[in-house]
Amino acid sequence: AQSVTQLDSQVPVFEEAPVELRCNYSSSVSVYLFWYVQYPNQGLQLLLKYLSGSTLVKGINGFEAEFNKSQTSFHLRKPSVHISDTAEYFCAVSANAGGTSYGKLTFGQGTILTVHP
Amino acid sequence: DAMVIQNPRYQVTQFGKPVTLSCSQTLNHNVMYWYQQKSSQAPKLLFHYYDKDFNNEADTPDNFQSRRPNTSFCFLDIRSPGLGDAAMYLCATSRDFEGDTQYFGPGTRLTVL
Repeated sequence: AQSVTQLDSQVPVFEEAPVELRCNYSSSVSVYLFWYVQYPNQGLQLLLKYLSGSTLVKGINGFEAEFNKSQTSFHLRKPSVHISDTAEYFCAVSANAGGTSYGKLTFGQGTILTVHP
Repeated sequence: DAMVIQNPRYQVTQFGKPVTLSCSQTLNHNVMYWYQQKSSQAPKLLFHYYDKDFNNEADTPDNFQSRRPNTSFCFLDIRSPGLGDAAMYLCATSRDFEGDTQYFGPGTRLTVL
């Protein structure tokens, strides 16, 4: 089984400042890692995902994340945030189980990013 | 442009009165998922279909049922809604399983009076 811990439930930041949203995971098998964003009263939208290869993954809206296998982390970063980045961010993991899993996503509890002017 | 569509966006029902939520997709994806998301919580998977094959999560209450009459449509039926079933219900699709991106609809917010 997999689990995900998002270390911060809320992150306030000023506009144009950098931000890091932290995510740690636990799994007995290899994993795929995802970050989703959810705006109020909307569904989830994929920001980026790590499947294999380069550990630095670039996504939409200027976000990037780095997979660190030794620390079992997948932190999300953006060098300069905008007001429009205010939303809830979910880290998620699914098992890379050689075709026997069904892609079940296990989500963290979410981090609410609030960007202040 | 909409790829995963959920209707209605807001649903109000009475305690114990059956309700059906609808999801449709234009992506021709094999897999469709239903998630329940309660306020300030992470989405929780209820069940999924791979084509016509149905898979129920072990902890999904019997009160929740689903139907997938064809590739494009999937329904969530709540037979006797309780106050604890008030939540956002999210439908998602993916082409296949491992590592594939799940595309989410906008959700249906269910209120139980």
